[in-house]
Amino acid sequence: AQSVTQPDIHITVSEGASLELRCNYSYGATPYLFWYVQSPGQGLQLLLKYFSGDTLVQGIKGFEAEFKRSQSSFNLRKPSVHWSDAAEYFCAVGAGQTGANNLFFGTGTRLTVIP
Amino acid sequence: KAGVTQTPRYLIKTRGQQVTLSCSPISGHRSVSWYQQTPGQGLQFLFEYFSETQRNKGNFPGRFSGRQFSNSRSEMNVSTLELGDSALYLCASSPTGAGEKLFFGSGTQLSVL
Repeated sequence: AQSVTQPDIHITVSEGASLELRCNYSYGATPYLFWYVQSPGQGLQLLLKYFSGDTLVQGIKGFEAEFKRSQSSFNLRKPSVHWSDAAEYFCAVGAGQTGANNLFFGTGTRLTVIP
Repeated sequence: KAGVTQTPRYLIKTRGQQVTLSCSPISGHRSVSWYQQTPGQGLQFLFEYFSETQRNKGNFPGRFSGRQFSNSRSEMNVSTLELGDSALYLCASSPTGAGEKLFFGSGTQLSVL
């Protein structure tokens, strides 16, 4: 069965600092991996996704993530955080094409950005 | 293009009642998925509909049901409401449901008293 672990519940960074949000997954085959962001009172917006190919994936808003099969990880990074990046971030794993809309989400990491 | 629209935005019900939530997907999207979001359990998959057929189902009791109409609009119904059903219910749509990006609505916040 699929599962996703986001070990950091809350992270605080200074504006302009770099960011890395951790995500570990459990899945028997090659997973479909996603990062979504949720602002207060809003739905989720896709930042990036990995299905296959290049293990370094570029997303929107300057985010990137790297798939490491040996570590079962899909960490999200951004070189310089902006105040508008404050939100909750969710890592998710899907079970393949027809199961890709059946996503298992991590519990989320809340990002606070201080000036 | 209009985004995913969920109505109502907020809902207050009492235990034992039933509730129906509505979701209008992005025009042209045929797959609609529903998720429940709570502080304790996080985001959990409820079910997915494609071309009026339920294609995937999560691990929720039979009190939770849904349907999809020929215009791809979807409704979910929760019968015999329990306090634990209080949650943000999110709907997401995609063109075919085959691993593309999901577009989420802003959700319906359900409070059960």
